[in-house]
Amino acid sequence: AQSVAQPEDQVNVAEGNPLTVKCTYSVSGNPYLFWYVQYPNRGLQFLLKYITGDNLVKGSYGFEAEFNKSQTSFHLKKPSALVSDSALYFCAVRDRSGNTPLVFGKGTRLSVIA
Amino acid sequence: NAGVMQNPRHLVRRRGQEARLRCSPMKGHSHVYWYRQLPEEGLKFMVYLQKENIIDESGMPKERFSAEFPKEGPSILRIQQVVRGDSAAYFCASSPDSSFYNEQFFGPGTRLTVL
Repeated sequence: AQSVAQPEDQVNVAEGNPLTVKCTYSVSGNPYLFWYVQYPNRGLQFLLKYITGDNLVKGSYGFEAEFNKSQTSFHLKKPSALVSDSALYFCAVRDRSGNTPLVFGKGTRLSVIA
Repeated sequence: NAGVMQNPRHLVRRRGQEARLRCSPMKGHSHVYWYRQLPEEGLKFMVYLQKENIIDESGMPKERFSAEFPKEGPSILRIQQVVRGDSAAYFCASSPDSSFYNEQFFGPGTRLTVL
């Protein structure tokens, strides 16, 4: 069965500092990996995805994520956090070998402090 | 190009009533997914539909819940005889095809409150 773990419920970062939101996954085959962001009372917005190729993926709003197969991780990063980055972040995985639905982590609340 | 539309945005029902949630996918998208989000939890997959077909309903409770995506009109998630535990945010997402690597585009959600 597929699963996603986001070990931190909350991440606090000072504005201008780098941020990391952690994600590890478990699938039987090879994964497709996604990051989404949710602002209050809104739906999820797509940030970036890993399909194949370069392990470092760049996405919207200056975010990037690195796929690490040996550690089964797909951590989200940004070199310099903005207050407007404060939101709920979800990692999601889908096994590319089977007809299975997208599985989401529980989310990590990012708070960027001015 | 309008995004995924959901209505109503907020729905209040008393125990035992029916809730009908509507989702219009993005233009050109024929694949619809429904998710439920409980407070402080991630999204849980419920059902995946293509026009006139249910492809995967493995996440949907066996009783009281049903979904459809007719040839014309929006997708409907129907909850009969609602109970307090059905209170949650229900999100609809769409994609242009069934490719596993496609990102899904989400609507703003319907927040269901059962009194």
